[in-house]
Amino acid sequence: DGGITQSPKYLFRKEGQNVTLSCEQNLNHDAMYWYRQDPGQGLRLIYYSQIVNDFQKGDIAEGYSVSREKKESFPLTVTSAQKNPTAFYLCASRKDTSYEQYFGPGTRLTVT
Amino acid sequence: SQQGEEDPQALSIQEGENATMNCSYKTSINNLQWYRQNSGRGLVHLILIRSNEREKHSGRLRVTLDTSKKSSSLLITASRAADTASYFCATDRYSGGGADGLTFGKGTHLIIQP
Repeated sequence: DGGITQSPKYLFRKEGQNVTLSCEQNLNHDAMYWYRQDPGQGLRLIYYSQIVNDFQKGDIAEGYSVSREKKESFPLTVTSAQKNPTAFYLCASRKDTSYEQYFGPGTRLTVT
Repeated sequence: SQQGEEDPQALSIQEGENATMNCSYKTSINNLQWYRQNSGRGLVHLILIRSNEREKHSGRLRVTLDTSKKSSSLLITASRAADTASYFCATDRYSGGGADGLTFGKGTHLIIQP
């Protein structure tokens, strides 16, 4: 089955710790995206990558970092510099010839 | 700030009735998309309407676009319990074609009462 996987589904961390969220796709899409969703809110773009070894900041990149070493993988690290990291994180990918984005199931991060 | 704003924020109707959600946006667009999100899940693409289209249908979905008013509406006909979800409109962050990500509204939470 083609799709996007995110792991883990739930993640708990102590304040001050960095944490890495996984996102893998086997759709052969070039572009990948990370969004953050807060309760009752829409999605906000954190980082995106249009091609391997290249990525750009989105609207709320502060306190986050990414890498894109492989086409299939786009991990997101939530650093201790992120002031309010508790949120639902969604990864998405997109085929170059289409506007539609395909989303993973999300990771709910709770930092206490 | 959010590009799209959905209205209403929440909508509760009886099964079988039609549900209409509205979206307003601020800047010029190439296209507008609608997505559905079931509780605690990822988003699923429903339909895309291009800026030169006024109406589009897909199954029980009907989307309209009024670029002069910078607004779109999503109509779900003959609603079912499985349609209970949040619905978001989304536009390209920049007019370049979607490669730079999407801007989402806050969504309409639709509840279908059996």
